[in-house]
Amino acid sequence: DTAVSQTPKYLVTQMGNDKSIKCEQNLGHDTMYWYKQDSKKFLKIMFSYNNKELIINETVPNRFSPKSPDKAHLNLHINSLELGDSAVYFCASSQDRGKTPAKDTQYFGPGTRLTVL
Amino acid sequence: DAKTTQPTSMDCAEGRAANLPCNHSTISGNEYVYWYRQIHSQGPQYIIHGLKNNETNEMASLIITEDRKSSTLILPHATLRDTAVYYCIVRVGYGGATNKLIFGTGTLLAVQP
Repeated sequence: DTAVSQTPKYLVTQMGNDKSIKCEQNLGHDTMYWYKQDSKKFLKIMFSYNNKELIINETVPNRFSPKSPDKAHLNLHINSLELGDSAVYFCASSQDRGKTPAKDTQYFGPGTRLTVL
Repeated sequence: DAKTTQPTSMDCAEGRAANLPCNHSTISGNEYVYWYRQIHSQGPQYIIHGLKNNETNEMASLIITEDRKSSTLILPHATLRDTAVYYCIVRVGYGGATNKLIFGTGTLLAVQP
């Protein structure tokens, strides 16, 4: 069974479109994250939710909006896509939100490669 | 969270031990050292973490110097599948309000046949 899954794996779209990436974890974790890895391979956190509550929001343009319908899902909606949004987006989850190292291990999904034309 | 410094790349012969160094000279007393790796086109994978004692699990060993200003990740018998970018990350352990991982540029370990 896949622990953290993302759909789609590849997403190619035109500038100005609105798109969503879905993430699901079956680990029973309370905290989920979105990271962005750009063309230079820098991996940077975007958002984190703990039990459906937003706890990290890293100066991401408000065109990006995470939505957590329940604690097993954290979807990423992107409005008015721009060329610079092209990247690989990784979802991750952890048992806890940063209180104890034993529960903080983050498990990452396989990534979604977004290409904006 | 303290900053880390790692070599850009390293080579290792298959079957030999791979020793990946990390400097974190500004580490605070409550900050842990974490290691993750990213195999090409995959999501990052947790390897190990530690505070001040040496740690070992099924994947690797982590050796932290007594002053905690540097550490070494050891893969005892590297295989071709260990070729990846290895990230050393320092962050607050207990009591942190968030679980934010700050990834640097990491070390590209190339295991040679």
